[in-house]
Amino acid sequence: GAGVSQSPSNKVTEKGKDVELRCDPISGHTALYWYRQSLGQGLEFLIYFQGNSAPDKSGLPSDRFSAERTGGSVSTLTIQRTQQEDSAVYLCASSLGGTNTDTQYFGPGTRLTVL
Amino acid sequence: AQSVTQLDSQVPVFEEAPVELRCNYSSSVSVYLFWYVQYPNQGLQLLLKYLSGSTLVKGINGFEAEFNKSQTSFHLRKPSVHISDTAEYFCAVNAGGTSYGKLTFGQGTILTVHP
Repeated sequence: GAGVSQSPSNKVTEKGKDVELRCDPISGHTALYWYRQSLGQGLEFLIYFQGNSAPDKSGLPSDRFSAERTGGSVSTLTIQRTQQEDSAVYLCASSLGGTNTDTQYFGPGTRLTVL
Repeated sequence: AQSVTQLDSQVPVFEEAPVELRCNYSSSVSVYLFWYVQYPNQGLQLLLKYLSGSTLVKGINGFEAEFNKSQTSFHLRKPSVHISDTAEYFCAVNAGGTSYGKLTFGQGTILTVHP
C-alpha cells in the first residue's frame, strides 16, 4: 500500500516568506508526527497529532511554527517569516494508534532551504 | 528527560565483516528503544525495537540489538555486512507514559561498507 507522502520534496524560499509543508499519512493511521532533521541539531520532534488534535506541541521551536490536521488525515506544517536557521529536512511520520510502542512510518521529507 | 548518545558518528567497515553500532540512553523511567535506518534520499525505516521481554531483539536485514538495562545501552550488531547496508543509522528512545509516541533520537551513525 501507499506509504507516507510529503510535498513538496524541495522548497527554496527567501527569508521572511511563509511556507507550507504537507503530509499525507498512511490511510487509517490516527497518529501523525512532525520531526525536523538539521545538521546542527540532528532529528528533533516538533509536534504530535492524535486525530485532529495536537496533545503534544512541545517541540515547536517558536510561535512562527504551527501545524494543523484536518479530517484526521492530511497535515500541514506552516512556518511564518522564515529564517535561515529554519533550513532543514522536515519529516512526517504516522502510526496506527499513537501509542508509545507503535512503529512510526516516515515519509521522504521536505528539504527546506531559506536564502 | 531522556537523551540518546550514539558513540560513533562514522563507522567504516569492509564487506562481510561484522559491525557494532553503539547506543547509550539516559532516562529516569522505563523506556522503549528503537533503531531506524535512513538510506540516501529516503525516509527512516524501522530496523527493530525493544519493548519488553527478551533482551536480544532481531530485526530486518539480519540486524539484531541487545538491551542492557544496567549499562543503559542498546547496541546494534550485524555479523556480516553488505555494500547495501551503507546508510545512516539512528537509535531512538520513547519514555513511555504520557510521552505518546514521541521519539528522541541520537545524532546518527553513518555506516560505510567498503568492497
